[in-house]
Amino acid sequence: NAGVTQTPKFQVLKTGQSMTLQCAQDMNHEYMSWYRQDPGMGLRLIHYSVGAGITDQGEVPNGYNVSRSTTEDFPLRLLSAAPSQTSVYFCASSRLQGEYSNQPQHFGDGTRLSIL
Amino acid sequence: TQLLEQSPQFLSIQEGENLTVYCNSSSVFSSLQWYRQEPGEGPVLLVTVVTGGEVKKLKRLTFQFGDARKDSSLHITAAQPGDTGLYLCAGVPGGSTLGRLYFGRGTQLTVWP
Repeated sequence: NAGVTQTPKFQVLKTGQSMTLQCAQDMNHEYMSWYRQDPGMGLRLIHYSVGAGITDQGEVPNGYNVSRSTTEDFPLRLLSAAPSQTSVYFCASSRLQGEYSNQPQHFGDGTRLSIL
Repeated sequence: TQLLEQSPQFLSIQEGENLTVYCNSSSVFSSLQWYRQEPGEGPVLLVTVVTGGEVKKLKRLTFQFGDARKDSSLHITAAQPGDTGLYLCAGVPGGSTLGRLYFGRGTQLTVWP
């Protein structure tokens, strides 16, 4: 059982380039989310999705786009990379979150992205 | 403002010492989760506390959920270098139906041999 798979593991981009970070899960989870992690900042939510065709913004959505065409996949797109987007990006999935259904998040191993 | 405030942000101690980290909020949570993240990896769930006043033990780690379900603590007894990592609390606040999971900023723990 692969769990949550993120690709690539490392990437270096030049300012202004675009790219897509891939995230796939094989647990049939409805809830998927993208976080960025910077030193001393913990996890900051970028975008999340509660099912195919449904996405919403998190805490730091600017400069990022997402789509959820299938249950399994939740790609994150950087439209025009900026040095401020240098970070480690984590994708996570779980059963639907709710007040009385606090589901454990399953995280990928992260993508380490550097923008020059 | 953070929905879940964790303190301290950084903690550096010697092997064998005890420590407590805190996760506080002004909102009520039906449950809170604690995760540990080791360098180069994603966070991994340690425990979920559900009932106000609940205490859960995981070997040398003791987790407590406040009576009012607005706060939680993690106590580590006789810390070891293997406990080094980032400790994160997370939860869905009361009143949410289907929504996002909120994380605190985390406590970075370093245990020196």
